[in-house]
Amino acid sequence: GIQVEQSPPDLILQEGANSTLRCNFSDSVNNLQWFHQNPWGQLINLFYIPSGTKQNGRLSATTVATERYSLLYISSSQTTDSGVYFCAVKYSGAGSYQLTFGKGTKLSVIP
Amino acid sequence: DTAVSQTPKYLVTQMGNDKSIKCEQNLGHDTMYWYKQDSKKFLKIMFSYNNKELIINETVPNRFSPKSPDKAHLNLHINSLELGDSAVYFCASSLGWVTEAFFGQGTRLTVV
Repeated sequence: GIQVEQSPPDLILQEGANSTLRCNFSDSVNNLQWFHQNPWGQLINLFYIPSGTKQNGRLSATTVATERYSLLYISSSQTTDSGVYFCAVKYSGAGSYQLTFGKGTKLSVIP
Repeated sequence: DTAVSQTPKYLVTQMGNDKSIKCEQNLGHDTMYWYKQDSKKFLKIMFSYNNKELIINETVPNRFSPKSPDKAHLNLHINSLELGDSAVYFCASSLGWVTEAFFGQGTRLTVV
């Protein structure tokens, strides 16, 4: 099956700092999503971005499908950004019926 | 007006019991999923369900069975619970196989 690798696995930031999270995937995809799992365990949709660039406030994401990676940018980080960020992809080939998740990047933003 | 809702949020039960987790979505989606998140936070697909087509992850024990009374609901039944079934279970839905998926708040199952 498709492989999804996220880096870094852990990240500690001072409040106000910027960061870039990376997601590499091993095959062609027709769906790529970024999620934030907050400390209460909720999975919050950040971006649906199988290709291109999107921005939402302090967050933006870019997916370069031909090179099989996606980046999530967090600017001016806040303590509420803490949690685990997951990238999930759906292989575009036949017989694929679900999102495959990476292992996540655990972000801790300290005041 | 929660989009994907699961009940219960917490479930503590003894080994050997049978339990169910309910999932409902009000997004008009036709595809629903169950995922399991283990203690290391890894999310793994258990079932995908679309228009009565059920796709089962081959690693899921047959003690687990999804049941869909209609397009808006996909419940998860678990028989003969084992300690290793302790995890957080997430329901999700999407429109077709490719569009954006939305997740419920999760059900934390603890087997004692």
